[in-house]
Amino acid sequence: SQQGEEDPQALSIQEGENATMNCSYKTSINNLQWYRQNSGRGLVHLILIRSNEREKHSGRLRVTLDTSKKSSSLLITASRAADTASYFCASVVLNDYKLSFGAGTTVTVRA
Amino acid sequence: ETGVTQSPTHLIKTRGQQVTLRCSSQSGHNTVSWYQQALGQGPQFIFQYYREEENGRGNFPPRFSGLQFPNYSSELNVNALELDDSALYLCATRRGGRTDTQYFGPGTRLTVL
Repeated sequence: SQQGEEDPQALSIQEGENATMNCSYKTSINNLQWYRQNSGRGLVHLILIRSNEREKHSGRLRVTLDTSKKSSSLLITASRAADTASYFCASVVLNDYKLSFGAGTTVTVRA
Repeated sequence: ETGVTQSPTHLIKTRGQQVTLRCSSQSGHNTVSWYQQALGQGPQFIFQYYREEENGRGNFPPRFSGLQFPNYSSELNVNALELDDSALYLCATRRGGRTDTQYFGPGTRLTVL
């Protein structure tokens, strides 16, 4: 079973627009991570946010975490065609180590 | 590039056969995890090895087994292949700390006919 769920399942935007995707999880976490996957290849780590953090930035990425709602969001600003990929959130629950992934959001950036 | 490599890239097997997938670790990464990703789904945790010992396992049957070698490279073995084993198999390595970033390899695409 998957710990998290992403919303929406798919997103299509114009180049230059922002893309926002959300992730919900079920149990208390140590940290939550976001990954990108291009065309069924390996996962690329984007950002890690710890349970005591509320917001984190990395380049054009902004991640928020709301532990009271057990949810996180990933914002990609000023999207580019190269951002076309599937995005996954993965949580690490307390006293555990494995990544529990959601089903992902497929983002298509149109030129 | 994460520095983690996997072989082979693609593999086709028939039901009942056995398969071995390989993963090389990034330098200094003593922990390796294996994940199975079915088409259109997120990766599912299979098991983890730390310093050559399995120290965690997901909801996978015993026909999924593994090894980690002294140089921290790893193998995933699957016996008695079933059609549902068709998936992308990913390995991820990290330095052992629970909150350390995991670095994924490009995966092995296994097709079972």
